[in-house]
Amino acid sequence: GAGVSQSPSNKVTEKGKDVELRCDPISGHTALYWYRQSLGQGLEFLIYFQGNSAPDKSGLPSDRFSAERTGGSVSTLTIQRTQQEDSAVYLCASSLYGFQDTQYFGPGTRLTVL
Amino acid sequence: GQNIDQPTEMTATEGAIVQINCTYQTSGFNGLFWYQQHAGEAPTFLSYNVLDGLEEKGRFSSFLSRSKGYSYLLLKELQMKDSASYLCARRNQGGKLIFGQGTELSVKP
Repeated sequence: GAGVSQSPSNKVTEKGKDVELRCDPISGHTALYWYRQSLGQGLEFLIYFQGNSAPDKSGLPSDRFSAERTGGSVSTLTIQRTQQEDSAVYLCASSLYGFQDTQYFGPGTRLTVL
Repeated sequence: GQNIDQPTEMTATEGAIVQINCTYQTSGFNGLFWYQQHAGEAPTFLSYNVLDGLEEKGRFSSFLSRSKGYSYLLLKELQMKDSASYLCARRNQGGKLIFGQGTELSVKP
C-alpha cells in the first residue's frame, strides 16, 4: 500500500505566524511519531501517538508546539507564533502497533521561517 | 545521557567495502536500528539488531555488541547510489528512538 505522506512538502512563513503540518500514516498503523531534523543535526523526537492519545509528548520543545490525531489516522502538528529557530524538516513516521515495531518515515515538510 | 556517536562523514570507492561505526550508552538499551537517508528524502529502514552478532541482508550487514555499546553497518560492493546519510538509532526501554547525527557517505568512482 501507500507509504506515509506529508503535506505540504515545503512551507515558507513569516516569523510570528502559525503553521499546520499534516501527516497521513500508512493505513492500519496505530502508532504515529513526529520528529524534527535541523541542518546538521540528528532526528529529534517530538511526540508519539498511540491511536488518538499521545502518551509521550516529552519532545515538544515549547508550548508553541502542539499536535493532535483524530480517527486514529491523520495527525496535525501545529506551531504557533513561529520563530526562526523552528526552521527544520519535520518528519512523520508510523508503525504497526507501537514502539516495538519498525518505524516508516514520510518525506517530510521543510519549514522555513523568515 | 543517551549519546550516540558516529563519524560525521566517510568517503569510499565504488566496488569497495565500508564500515560505519556507532557507539551508544548501554543502560536501558532495547535495540539498535540503522536507517539510510538520501538528500531531501525520508529515512528508510535498513536493519535492526537486538541480540549480539551479525545480521546479513544482501550487500548490507549490521553488527551489535551489547556489552560494548557498539554497532557497525557494513556495506559491500559499494555503488554510487549508496551515497547517502546513514543514521544509527538506539531504542530505549520505553521504546523511544534516539538518533545519532548520521554519517554522510560519499562513494567515488
